[in-house]
Amino acid sequence: DVKVTQSSRYLVKRTGEKVFLECVQDMDHENMFWYRQDPGLGLRLIYFSYDVKMKEKGDIPEGYSVSREKKERFSLILESASTNQTSMYLCASSFQDRGLNTEAFFGQGTRLTVV
Amino acid sequence: KQEVTQIPAALSVPEGENLVLNCSFTDSAIYNLQWFRQDPGKGLTSLLLIQSSQREQTSGRLNASLDKSSGRSTLYIAASQPGDSATYLCAVAGYSSASKIIFGSGTRLSIRP
Repeated sequence: DVKVTQSSRYLVKRTGEKVFLECVQDMDHENMFWYRQDPGLGLRLIYFSYDVKMKEKGDIPEGYSVSREKKERFSLILESASTNQTSMYLCASSFQDRGLNTEAFFGQGTRLTVV
Repeated sequence: KQEVTQIPAALSVPEGENLVLNCSFTDSAIYNLQWFRQDPGKGLTSLLLIQSSQREQTSGRLNASLDKSSGRSTLYIAASQPGDSATYLCAVAGYSSASKIIFGSGTRLSIRP
């Protein structure tokens, strides 16, 4: 079974803190994604990585950065957390097409509250 | 820029009915389309993946179709059950398998016993 694991299920941080959200997948997927999900706004792509050390901005990258030093791990960093970053954060991963199933798989989500 | 729309936003039907959820996308140059289910407060569970060269995929009571030229996909659920109550999301991947995945806003489905 594919497993995408996010380091925390719930997180509470203070305004101005630097926050790290970690995501690990065990299926050797090339692609990894970070989304945030807010009521009425759906899932919005923050950043996407298609290879180690490679990243692309999504629709809402402002206030976030990412790190992908190893293939299995994709970290989302909130440089200085703000209350408008309170949200559910979802990580996903998928294969690129090497004759393999390119289905995307998601982690269980991290509900971040910034106070 | 790819935009994905799902209509209706919410749907309530009695148990046992067959139903169709709709998804449309603006750019037909997609690599694949995927349907997901999300239960409240949880992550997303993949239901069906349709590659751009395919017309449909089936899994149990679910059937998803894809018409790339018109920018549409449907998810058909046969003989609905209360356990099918959830939010259903469709998502499209861009022109290659190393592309972004863009989501619709979802249809919240409620099956009445």
